[in-house]
Amino acid sequence: QQQVKQSPQSLIVQKGGISIINCAYENTAFDYFPWYQQFPGKGPALLIAIRPDVSEKKEGRFTISFNKSAKQFSLHIMDSQPGDSATYFCAAHDSGYSTLTFGKGTMLLVSP
Amino acid sequence: DAGVTQSPTHLIKTRGQQVTLRCSPKSGHDTVSWYQQALGQGPQFIFQYYEEEERQRGNFPDRFSGHQFPNYSSELNVNALLLGDSALYLCASSNRDRGLSGELFFGEGSRLTVL
Repeated sequence: QQQVKQSPQSLIVQKGGISIINCAYENTAFDYFPWYQQFPGKGPALLIAIRPDVSEKKEGRFTISFNKSAKQFSLHIMDSQPGDSATYFCAAHDSGYSTLTFGKGTMLLVSP
Repeated sequence: DAGVTQSPTHLIKTRGQQVTLRCSPKSGHDTVSWYQQALGQGPQFIFQYYEEEERQRGNFPDRFSGHQFPNYSSELNVNALLLGDSALYLCASSNRDRGLSGELFFGEGSRLTVL
């Protein structure tokens, strides 16, 4: 049973455009929602994260929007650059088990 | 400051064999978690070690076992390898005293191919 659903599976955006990736969850025990960026041949790296008591968090060109009532959160990449081309994973931290549950990932390609 | 280091980076085994993967956590971290990442999928939690004991375990069979040493480094062992065990195995470290921030630092992984 997939506990974190991520969409789209892949995304192509032109340079300078906005990339939007969405995630949804069911488990109300999740208490922390990080996004990871993974380049080919590398391990995932923490990009930005949010707690459910905040509706939005912005760091540079990256913004997380969080809707607790809908159990949904999204990553927005403003002014997308070719260097942003990577696979992005949303995740959720289970407060009861201190583990992360990942979505299936979104492969982002930013065309020059 | 070295991050999370894993070895080997790539290895090929045949069905039925056994494999041991190794991980050294980031300096100052005391908790090690292992994840399996199949091609095109997100990482799946295998287990977590703290104070040399397995603290949490995901939905993986007993063929998957681990160990944590006094210096916090860790090993992942997989017995009786199956074709479906082919994946990238990721080690992630964290510091338990930081609380439930969930921030994990990942290594670059060990790519296991089972033939």
